[in-house]
Amino acid sequence: GQNIDQPTEMTATEGAIVQINCTYQTSGFNGLFWYQQHAGEAPTFLSYNVLDGLEEKGRFSSFLSRSKGYSYLLLKELQMKDSASYLCAVMDSNYQLIWGAGTKLIIKP
Amino acid sequence: ETGVTQTPRHLVMGMTNKKSLKCEQHLGHNAMYWYKQSAKKPLELMFVYSLEERVENNSVPSRFSPECPNSSHLFLHLHTLQPEDSALYLCASSQAPGTGTPLHFGNGTRLTVT
Repeated sequence: GQNIDQPTEMTATEGAIVQINCTYQTSGFNGLFWYQQHAGEAPTFLSYNVLDGLEEKGRFSSFLSRSKGYSYLLLKELQMKDSASYLCAVMDSNYQLIWGAGTKLIIKP
Repeated sequence: ETGVTQTPRHLVMGMTNKKSLKCEQHLGHNAMYWYKQSAKKPLELMFVYSLEERVENNSVPSRFSPECPNSSHLFLHLHTLQPEDSALYLCASSQAPGTGTPLHFGNGTRLTVT
């Protein structure tokens, strides 16, 4: 079966750095997405990785290793507004999106 | 962002009621989706429409009936639901299904079945 694993919940301190991991086992691979979802709101697109390596977008970076079936989302200089759930999703060989259950990130002052 | 708008935001209905969820996208996208989001579970794809034609139905019970009258509007008709259908229902759109273009989601309808 196809599976996406990410931690259920993480806690970090304002101003710090946090890394949210995502491991996947899927039938093929056509890219990996990260979304942010604040409570009661729509998921919003953060990043898309299809090749190995690190993609940086301001305070957020996303890394992919296809050989290891692994990705992480790195958030720097954490702000209180970064408290949200972070969803990892992989597009398989049939171009179907396989979703993780999400990681709830709690930022403490 | 108001690119994808869903109404109502909240809905409480009895098991014998009939109701409809509405979604509208203003992004000029060709594909629209219905997802179910339950607490601590992955998003579940329910229906996909591309250019107003249904291209995928992930074995969803017949008590859920989608309708896509044009590329900007999507409905989910609900009837004789069960309590386990209580969840957040998210609508999304994209340029085309099965590509690297991201999904744009609405804020969802929080459905409670009593």
